[in-house]
Amino acid sequence: SQTIHQWPATLVQPVGSPLSLECTVEGTSNPNLYWYRQAAGRGLQLLFYSVGIGQISSEVPQNLSASRPQDRQFILSSKKLLLSDSGFYLCAWSGGQGSGYTFGSGTRLTVV
Amino acid sequence: RKEVEQDPGPFNVPEGATVAFNCTYSNSASQSFFWYRQDCRKEPKLLMSVYSSGNEDGRFTAQLNRASQYISLLIRDSKLSDSATYLCVVLSGGSNYKLTFGKGTLLTVNP
Repeated sequence: SQTIHQWPATLVQPVGSPLSLECTVEGTSNPNLYWYRQAAGRGLQLLFYSVGIGQISSEVPQNLSASRPQDRQFILSSKKLLLSDSGFYLCAWSGGQGSGYTFGSGTRLTVV
Repeated sequence: RKEVEQDPGPFNVPEGATVAFNCTYSNSASQSFFWYRQDCRKEPKLLMSVYSSGNEDGRFTAQLNRASQYISLLIRDSKLSDSATYLCVVLSGGSNYKLTFGKGTLLTVNP
């Protein structure tokens, strides 16, 4: 069966520090991968999605970036965090063709 | 108009009540529809897909009206464990499988 792993679960980082969140999927090949952010009291915002290795689409301008170095690995990064980057970051995968997503357990990031 | 709009809630109902959530979407080319459930400080989880003919899963019934661009979720005989935020989700047309989420409606079922 397919599983998705996301870490760390919680993170407290100072403003201006770098960020790297990792997500890996097991039990499937060539998944569509997604990074979402959920700010406190707000809906889920799509940040990046990827349909293949090295293919990244950005949905919103920001100081975050994403990379997909391997088929089942998706990384969210920042060189310098802002206070506004605080939120609940969720990685998800789908098999495409109208199927729903399966989310990882999320990373709760607090920038101080 | 927002892509996916839901009842703002919150809903507070007693155990055993029937509760309905409504959702509208703006893109008439949307292809697939889902309801997700999100518990406090947890990731969203797929509750059920929504099919054109309507579908039922135990106490949960989902309906889709493409002409009105309207989706609903009905929960019968609500349980304490149904307390969560319910998210209406739409697969946008021609979007490389990007799902758009509503902001969610918080349901609290009281004893």
